[in-house]
Amino acid sequence: GESVGLHLPTLSVQEGDNSIINCAYSNSASDYFIWYKQESGKGPQFIIDIRSNMDKRQGQRVTVLLNKTVKHLSLQIAATQPGDSAVYFCAENIRGYQKVTFGTGTKLQVIP
Amino acid sequence: NAGVTQTPKFQVLKTGQSMTLQCAQDMNHNSMYWYRQDPGMGLRLIYYSASEGTTDKGEVPNGYNVSRLNKREFSLRLESAAPSQTSVYFCASSGASGGATGELFFGEGSRLTVL
Repeated sequence: GESVGLHLPTLSVQEGDNSIINCAYSNSASDYFIWYKQESGKGPQFIIDIRSNMDKRQGQRVTVLLNKTVKHLSLQIAATQPGDSAVYFCAENIRGYQKVTFGTGTKLQVIP
Repeated sequence: NAGVTQTPKFQVLKTGQSMTLQCAQDMNHNSMYWYRQDPGMGLRLIYYSASEGTTDKGEVPNGYNVSRLNKREFSLRLESAAPSQTSVYFCASSGASGGATGELFFGEGSRLTVL
């Protein structure tokens, strides 16, 4: 069936460096792609989303890139900080279907 | 600002016992959801309620029932708990725009162990 998945289960990054978390998706009907951050013991927290008709969107220290040709999504975090250590999930949504589908997650470890 | 509140936070059950997980949101959101999260996996949708008075099955509804009690509250019931239902359960809600974009607001989770 359609699915959203991640390339790397764990990513270790030096504090201050940039992080790139990747995601592959297969449902070309999705309207929105979303990144969530989940800290240990907490619920996921919305970071940023991107509509399917866009290829780039920037937030505060984060940038999401969408490549529909190869069905690839990435989250870039600039100047990674210890507080960025968490599990990051990509997700997708089809407008009107009320069913957000999550990938398996990537753990980001920031090395001080 | 409470957001989404889940109770209980922790629960241990024996196989065959029943229990209800409670969820309430104070953001006046129309849509509410129940997900489960298992180790090394993403979140899987159990049931959702697009609006008060409606509920629909998600990806893994077997063994669960839900009730949308009013606009604020959405409960998840396990009628006869099984070890396979050991998991962390998350309740979430979304507003009018969130239902389109996929922006969900999550609770802190309820950790359930079935022995």
